[in-house]
Amino acid sequence: KNEVEQSPQNLTAQEGEFITINCSYSVGISALHWLQQHPGGGIVSLFMLSSGKKKHGRLIATINIQEKHSSLHITASHPRDSAVYICAVDRYTDKLIFGTGTRLQVFP
Amino acid sequence: EAQVTQNPRYLITVTGKKLTVTCSQNMNHEYMSWYRQDPGLGLRQIYYSMNVEVTDKGDVPEGYKVSRKEKRNFPLILESPSPNQTSLYFCASSLSLAVDTQYFGPGTRLTVL
Repeated sequence: KNEVEQSPQNLTAQEGEFITINCSYSVGISALHWLQQHPGGGIVSLFMLSSGKKKHGRLIATINIQEKHSSLHITASHPRDSAVYICAVDRYTDKLIFGTGTRLQVFP
Repeated sequence: EAQVTQNPRYLITVTGKKLTVTCSQNMNHEYMSWYRQDPGLGLRQIYYSMNVEVTDKGDVPEGYKVSRKEKRNFPLILESPSPNQTSLYFCASSLSLAVDTQYFGPGTRLTVL
């Protein structure tokens, strides 16, 4: 079993829908990262969380340390949000363990 | 402009021919790291560095070397590349993993024949 599990693996949505991507992990962590990778390959770091909630534009990330779970929400989704979203955790070791990603497609 | 640069962006080489992929950042970051990305396996960490002259293994360090002689540079060295090192490689930097998001380079697509 992977230490970091993401769900769903694939997600399609219509423009304007509210989207939730989930990340569960099985180890104690010092931080959790959400990354975005567009077709063509470039990776952008969206959030680093150690507790609570962060918001940037239409993106919201939350983390529940006790339940070992994080969610990434996209409000008012747009086709330009189509990408792979990757969760990664730091296990107090300064090394990252990655989930396998959630592929999101948003259709007009 | 804050950025992480990698060179080359694309490389096709043959088994056994030593190569170096360079990585440089202009943000005075202490933490730098190399990752490889493979279909079905996702991203995996190869090596990381907490500061100059401080490097440590990630989850898949076999067949790779790194050095951190200057804060801004963190080259990845493949002394004897093999076909199983064909992959997409990313360099990244940050102040630290626990307090900062990472900045990723554009990636290097390596093919070893």
